[in-house]
Amino acid sequence: GDSVTQMEGPVTLSEEAFLTINCTYTATGYPSLFWYVQYPGEGLQLLLKATKADDKGSNKGFEATYRKETTSFHLEKGSVQVSDSAVYFCALSERDDKIIFGKGTRLHILP
Amino acid sequence: ETGVTQTPRHLVMGMTNKKSLKCEQHLGHNAMYWYKQSAKKPLELMFVYNFKEQTENNSVPSRFSPECPNSSHLFLHLHTLQPEDSALYLCASSRNPGGELFFGEGSRLTVL
Repeated sequence: GDSVTQMEGPVTLSEEAFLTINCTYTATGYPSLFWYVQYPGEGLQLLLKATKADDKGSNKGFEATYRKETTSFHLEKGSVQVSDSAVYFCALSERDDKIIFGKGTRLHILP
Repeated sequence: ETGVTQTPRHLVMGMTNKKSLKCEQHLGHNAMYWYKQSAKKPLELMFVYNFKEQTENNSVPSRFSPECPNSSHLFLHLHTLQPEDSALYLCASSRNPGGELFFGEGSRLTVL
């Protein structure tokens, strides 16, 4: 079945460091791919998405590119801030089916 | 009010209690979901409702009983829970199944 694998956390970085959180997926077709973020004490919210190969999703300085050849959707940000500290979830959805989430990666940014 | 609202935010109950979690969405969405979030586990989809009809039950124990009286409201009735059921229960909605999910802030449940 479909699945999402993302890097184990926690990830700890200093402010202004470069961030990469790896995500790979397994799917039978051509899924849509998402990154959701959960700030402390809140529910998840959509950060960015891509619906077809080579699409790049971007929001709040974060980017991720849909790579069909490597079945990956890695999240990147050039310069992180303390306010980016949160849990990040990679997810996929095939056709009009349910969304499948990875385990989440906790990110700590130190001032 | 807008978005997805969950009540209560925190709930402590004994194993013999009966309680309910409530979710309300003001987004005009057709699909609603219950997820369970436990430490160090993937987000677990429990139930999906589309146009008030249950379309998914992910082998959830019968001590969890969902109810969707209309497309804006979703309940999770709890009865004779176990301590391992302690978790954050998240409600979400989407315009259609598989679409962007909008989450509530969750109900933190502790079973003693």
